[in-house]
Amino acid sequence: ILNVEQSPQSLHVQEGDSTNFTCSFPSSNFYALHWYRWETAKSPEALFVMTLNGDEKKKGRISATLNTKEGYSYLYIKGSQPEDSATYLCALGLNTDKLIFGTGTRLQVFP
Amino acid sequence: KAGVTQTPRYLIKTRGQQVTLSCSPISGHRSVSWYQQTPGQGLQFLFEYFSETQRNKGNFPGRFSGRQFSNSRSEMNVSTLELGDSALYLCASSLATGGPQHFGDGTRLSIL
Repeated sequence: ILNVEQSPQSLHVQEGDSTNFTCSFPSSNFYALHWYRWETAKSPEALFVMTLNGDEKKKGRISATLNTKEGYSYLYIKGSQPEDSATYLCALGLNTDKLIFGTGTRLQVFP
Repeated sequence: KAGVTQTPRYLIKTRGQQVTLSCSPISGHRSVSWYQQTPGQGLQFLFEYFSETQRNKGNFPGRFSGRQFSNSRSEMNVSTLELGDSALYLCASSLATGGPQHFGDGTRLSIL
């Protein structure tokens, strides 16, 4: 059974703080690594899809890195804002559109 | 461009009944996937369809089935409902295999 692990489970930060989360996965079963943001009462929104070792993606204040050889990805948020409060999910993409999701990191940003 | 549309948004059923959920993908998307989220669990993969063919199936009992139509719309069916089937069911579509998935708002199913 493929296991995707995320840490920490939850995080509370002050507005303006920078933060990062980790996603770990079995490196031997890698095809693509997805990050999604899921705000309360909304649907999950795609942030990044990464496939190459050493890949780095950026979207505004959010960025992600990927290490396929050691099986981890980091998501960084610079200068957190209250609107960044959400659950951040990573998912391992297999050779089709099947995604294996981690249980997520719940981020709460206090003003 | 309309997003992924799931109907109904909410559904209440009793044990033993069966239910059909519907998903209309973004226009032009041929891949549709279904996921289940129960309290305390992450998103669990149910099925994936592409051009009316099931490409993958998750580890769920045979009571869970699905299909995809020629217009890429998809339905999933759950028969002989159990209390544990109470969950949020999400559908997602993608334009290209392996690309980002676009999720609908989900159907929240409650079993009494």
